[in-house]
Amino acid sequence: DSGVTQTPKHLITATGQRVTLRCSPRSGDLSVYWYQQSLDQGLQFLIQYYNGEERAKGNILERFSAQQFPDLHSELNLSSLELGDSALYFCASSVDWRAGSQDTQYFGPGTRLTVL
Amino acid sequence: DQQVKQNSPSLSVQEGRISILNCDYTNSMFDYFLWYKKYPAEGPTFLISISSIKDKNEDGRFTVFLNKSAKHLSLHIVPSQPGDSAVYFCAASFFISSGSARQLTFGSGTQLTVLP
Repeated sequence: DSGVTQTPKHLITATGQRVTLRCSPRSGDLSVYWYQQSLDQGLQFLIQYYNGEERAKGNILERFSAQQFPDLHSELNLSSLELGDSALYFCASSVDWRAGSQDTQYFGPGTRLTVL
Repeated sequence: DQQVKQNSPSLSVQEGRISILNCDYTNSMFDYFLWYKKYPAEGPTFLISISSIKDKNEDGRFTVFLNKSAKHLSLHIVPSQPGDSAVYFCAASFFISSGSARQLTFGSGTQLTVLP
């Protein structure tokens, strides 16, 4: 158990809909990262937050957005869903992100999103 | 542009023997490297890491070797056990000064099967 929790575990929805995925980082971790793993694909970095502020963006679509709340939990919002958005979405957390810190990211169990 | 490559999608090893998983990278800015293990329907689990100032790091049965001149790292598992059967991801990180963030880039993974 990494200490990172994600809900829900599974989500089935229809095209055009909007969903919210939730992540609670490990106790003490200030950074939260979101990743997408599509079928037969590696882990693609989406976005990073540190202590409530967006820090880095990866291959995140404009239809997707995220935020990190004062209690440090994070939500990933996916809207106007398409069939191709079906994937595993992982959240990870780490203590720090700064230069000189070589931070290890710890991953949650993931949310499997199926868009029908 | 795949900055982190795992060229072997699969590897089979006999129980008790050594497993060697390989990873190549192209970005010389990477300064921290990690290996994660992933079981189906679970999040990646951190295994071992190495800083670019070292060439070897050991943790129990797991050893990671880094060859900076060749931009190559490898994970050795000795002795291999059936429970080690999983997908192994190599990841690399560097500090993005413009965005003040660290970002992990993952390889595509290698499926290790340890045969009893």
